[in-house]
Order: sequence, then structure tokens, then C-alpha cells
Amino acid sequence: DAKTTQPNSMESNEEEPVHLPCNHSTISGTDYIHWYRQLPSQGPEYVIHGLTSNVNNRMASLAIAEDRKSSTLILHRATLRDAAVYYCICHGGSNYKLTFGKGTLLTVNP
Amino acid sequence: EAGVVQSPRYKIIEKKQPVAFWCNPISGHNTLYWYRQNLGQGPELLIRYENEEAVDDSQLPKDRFSAERLKGVDSTLKIQPAELGDSAVYLCASSLAGSYEQYFGPGTRLTVT
Repeated sequence: DAKTTQPNSMESNEEEPVHLPCNHSTISGTDYIHWYRQLPSQGPEYVIHGLTSNVNNRMASLAIAEDRKSSTLILHRATLRDAAVYYCICHGGSNYKLTFGKGTLLTVNP
Repeated sequence: EAGVVQSPRYKIIEKKQPVAFWCNPISGHNTLYWYRQNLGQGPELLIRYENEEAVDDSQLPKDRFSAERLKGVDSTLKIQPAELGDSAVYLCASSLAGSYEQYFGPGTRLTVT
């Protein structure tokens, strides 16, 4: 699986958009890009995933660079409940193993 | 729909004692995972089951850890004997066959003293 690089921490204000970046320069053509988040004292929670095209769901949007070497998770209006560690993971094929890094700790200020 | 259930939520034991964790996955999910999460780190996969079969246990320390998933539903992870370094959160997750979307339980926080 491709190694991912994320900032250790980011801050945002409530009701403002948040853009969480992820670099994955060694991604292979068949690797999906997944995002999970982990709220305090909870297990990780699936957020979104994509392959090449940008993706939207009720939680967030995923913008994937044309060369697929980076991606951005977009929270359109951050709330206090979005404060969590966000993990960007690249994997694919028949390998269902998720390799988590340290992720980005998002702090949302009221 | 009920999520992944784990018990206990917290466990404190002395080193060299045995401990067991239980997981009930989401109904219909035939793939089950056990992860370990050390403080400040992301979760690390210990073992993955497809139904009753352990298809990836390469990261499971087999000298002291064991796991089972009888009847392809509930699963138990055991440590015997526990060491101080085993203090961590043990997470169980499940997914539908062929899906990348994993659903995690709340975890069991183990403290070994």
C-alpha cells in the first residue's frame, strides 16, 4: 500500500469549510483512497473513498488530484462534532487491510 | 441497526494474567477484523477472518495471542500471559464480503499493571 503523508494537526472554526490534505505520491493505479475519522474514545468511522473522480456523500467531499498523488477531504461546514483524528489510507486490490498512519488531529473552535 | 459490539469496554489486569475480549459484528458481515491501537498511533491489524477462517494473521503475536471465530459470527481475542506492553485499545471491525468499508466497535481499553 502507498504511504500517505498528512499534517499532524489542523484547526478550524465552527461553520467554516475545512480542507484536510493528504499526499500519496507512490499510489498505484488500482489503489483506492480512503478516509476514516476517529472521534475521542470511539473506534474509527468510515468517511469516504474514491479512485479517480471526486466523490461526495452526506459527510464530506473527496477531491482527488488529476495525477492521484494527492487528495483533499473537504468538510463543507465544520461542527464541534467533527473534531477528530482523520486518517487517509491508500489500498486496493484484494488486500482489505487498512494501514493507518497517525492521521491529522482536527480541532474545531466554537 | 446495531453496530459492532465489544466487551468489556475497559479491563485492568496484572501482568502474566490472561485476558479475553469479545466481539459481535454487524449482522450479515462475514469479514471480521481485530486491531490494536497504541496511544497516539493509528490502529494496526492483528487478524482478519472471512467467516470462520483466519485469512490474515501475519501480525498476530502467536506466542501469546490467540483468536477464534466459531460459527463465523462472534469472535474472541485472547492474550495469555499479558505483558506490560500489551496495554492498548483493542478494536474489532466488520465488513461485508468484498467491501472496503469497515465498521468499527468502540474498542476495549486494556491496562496491564
